[in-house]
Amino acid sequence: NAGVTQTPKFQVLKTGQSMTLQCAQDMNHNSMYWYRQDPGMGLRLIYYSASEGTTDKGEVPNGYNVSRLNKREFSLRLESAAPSQTSVYFCASSRYRTSGTDTQYFGPGTRLTVL
Amino acid sequence: QQPVQSPQAVILREGEDAVINCSSSKALYSVHWYRQKHGEAPVFLMILLKGGEQKGHEKISASFNEKKQQSSLYLTASQLSYSGTYFCGTESAGGGNKLTFGTGTQLKVEL
Repeated sequence: NAGVTQTPKFQVLKTGQSMTLQCAQDMNHNSMYWYRQDPGMGLRLIYYSASEGTTDKGEVPNGYNVSRLNKREFSLRLESAAPSQTSVYFCASSRYRTSGTDTQYFGPGTRLTVL
Repeated sequence: QQPVQSPQAVILREGEDAVINCSSSKALYSVHWYRQKHGEAPVFLMILLKGGEQKGHEKISASFNEKKQQSSLYLTASQLSYSGTYFCGTESAGGGNKLTFGTGTQLKVEL
């Protein structure tokens, strides 16, 4: 099992450009998440999907959109990138739809720089 | 609102012990602990549930004080491999497996 995979690993954008970050998991998990990690801020939830066909906003959703394409894949789109979106983006998944007892498995991250 | 972790950073000599604290202003259902090495993804350590017992993982254990909405991570006889940033993730009652992470505690273990 590959676990959670993310593409690309690195990306440099100019202000105003758009891009989509891809995430896939092969663990048959129901829930998937997108986080951003900035120095000194820890991990902040952008969007999550409790199950296929549903998505909900997290703490910092502004400037992002998501698509839960199927049970395996959950993509994050930046429509018009801004320097404030420079960050490391992590995708994660967990088995259950709603439970506090389940661990989240993280992908390797995408390091995004917006100039 | 993010849980507050303390200390922000700590340096240990190999074999020494450390305690990392995580405090929330909200009523909690569970607390999750993760460790992240530089340039890598966070890795799960353990979950503590409301009403549950103290958990252990090798020489790393944790507790959850429900009344104070606090959790503590205990690292005993530290090893070089324990170096990294430790995050607590808290879930509020009815939170639906959404975690709110603290800002992290950087731990460095030296010879």
